[in-house]
Amino acid sequence: DIQMTQSPSTLSASVGDRVTITCRASQSISTWLAWYQQRPGKAPKLLIYKASSLESGVPSRFSGSGSGTEFTLTISSLQPDDFATYYCQQYNSYSLTFGGGTKVEIK
Amino acid sequence: QVQLQESGPGLVKPSETLSLTCTVSGGPINSYYWSWIRQPPGKGLEWIGNIFYSGSTNYNPSLKSRVTMSVDTSKNQFSLKLSSVTAADAAVYYCARAQNGLWLNYWGQGTLVTVSA
Repeated sequence: DIQMTQSPSTLSASVGDRVTITCRASQSISTWLAWYQQRPGKAPKLLIYKASSLESGVPSRFSGSGSGTEFTLTISSLQPDDFATYYCQQYNSYSLTFGGGTKVEIK
Repeated sequence: QVQLQESGPGLVKPSETLSLTCTVSGGPINSYYWSWIRQPPGKGLEWIGNIFYSGSTNYNPSLKSRVTMSVDTSKNQFSLKLSSVTAADAAVYYCARAQNGLWLNYWGQGTLVTVSA
């Protein structure tokens, strides 16, 4: 099974900050990676798919990059709505695995 | 706009079978993959499995022996059964649409299932 490791697990930042979250796969997954945002008490929301494709309706301050085993989610200028938990998710051989999550907190 | 709604008992006894249904509205169930994901309180997300509208399935290997998913295209619904539940199966259960079976672009609001005698 492919394992996904996110870092950091918690991140403290201020409005306007540039934020980067990393996700590492235990083996190469090409660009088969998605990113989700989850606010407390809500379902996850798709932000990025195929490592760098922005889901329709998602603000352009969100971007994704990477391939193989290392991926990043970047928020170019953190907004109040962005304080949430972020998950990466890989898809490989018809099996999906999520990372452990990164909680973005107010500094 | 596609909407998904989970339904089913919120309380299941240990050793019994958890049964949930997801009703899809605003779009067809045909031609898509559909997923179940769960999240224990305060913890991360765990993929349970996918089902194609034709009925073919892929399950999480760690749950495969206890999971059965099915689809009813006439009702625009798909379902999850998880047998022999324990306290470790207590979680919010989400249904979602898996675009090409790969990423989850529409989600239900989730339903909390508690396991207790």
